Amino acid sequence: NAGVTQTPKFRVLKTGQSMTLLCAQDMNHEYMYWYRQDPGMGLRLIHYSVGEGTTAKGEVPDGYNVSRLKKQNFLLGLESAAPSQTSVYFCASSYPPRNTEAFFGQGTRLTVV
Amino acid sequence: SQQGEEDPQALSIQEGENATMNCSYKTSINNLQWYRQNSGRGLVHLILIRSNEREKHSGRLRVTLDTSKKSSSLLITASRAADTASYFCASPNTGGFKTIFGAGTRLFVKA
Repeated sequence: NAGVTQTPKFRVLKTGQSMTLLCAQDMNHEYMYWYRQDPGMGLRLIHYSVGEGTTAKGEVPDGYNVSRLKKQNFLLGLESAAPSQTSVYFCASSYPPRNTEAFFGQGTRLTVV
Repeated sequence: SQQGEEDPQALSIQEGENATMNCSYKTSINNLQWYRQNSGRGLVHLILIRSNEREKHSGRLRVTLDTSKKSSSLLITASRAADTASYFCASPNTGGFKTIFGAGTRLFVKA
């Protein structure tokens, strides 16, 4: 099993450009999450999904949009990138987190110049 | 706001010593989880302790949970250089829909 796969691993964007980060999981998990991690800080939740066709806002949703058209995929979009969105982005998936752990991808390092 | 806060923020020890990290959280929890993150990598789950458990072991890891104090500790015994990483505590939010992480403890184990 591949687990959680993020694409791409690295990206440099110019301010104002758009892009989509793809997260794919092969564990049949209902829940999926997008986090961002900035230097010296923990993970902050951007958006999450509790099932196919559903999305919800996390702590820092502004400037991002998400879609969960298929159960195995969770897309994170930046419509107009800003330097403040320079970060490392992590996708994760889990069964309902009430009693289970999350599985993480390897991260996408995004730089906005 | 983050659900958990780890203490200390950074810890440096010699190989062979024990490392203890603490986590305090704000609201009632169903379970508390500990994760490790090696530099430049994703988080890896280490251990989960449920709210009705007080202590749990896994290899060189020992986790305790005190729900009355809203705190947990992670003990790594006989540390190795390979244990150098950041360690995070996390727990589901009140509704159980999302897992919230603390800022982490950076552990350096010197060979």
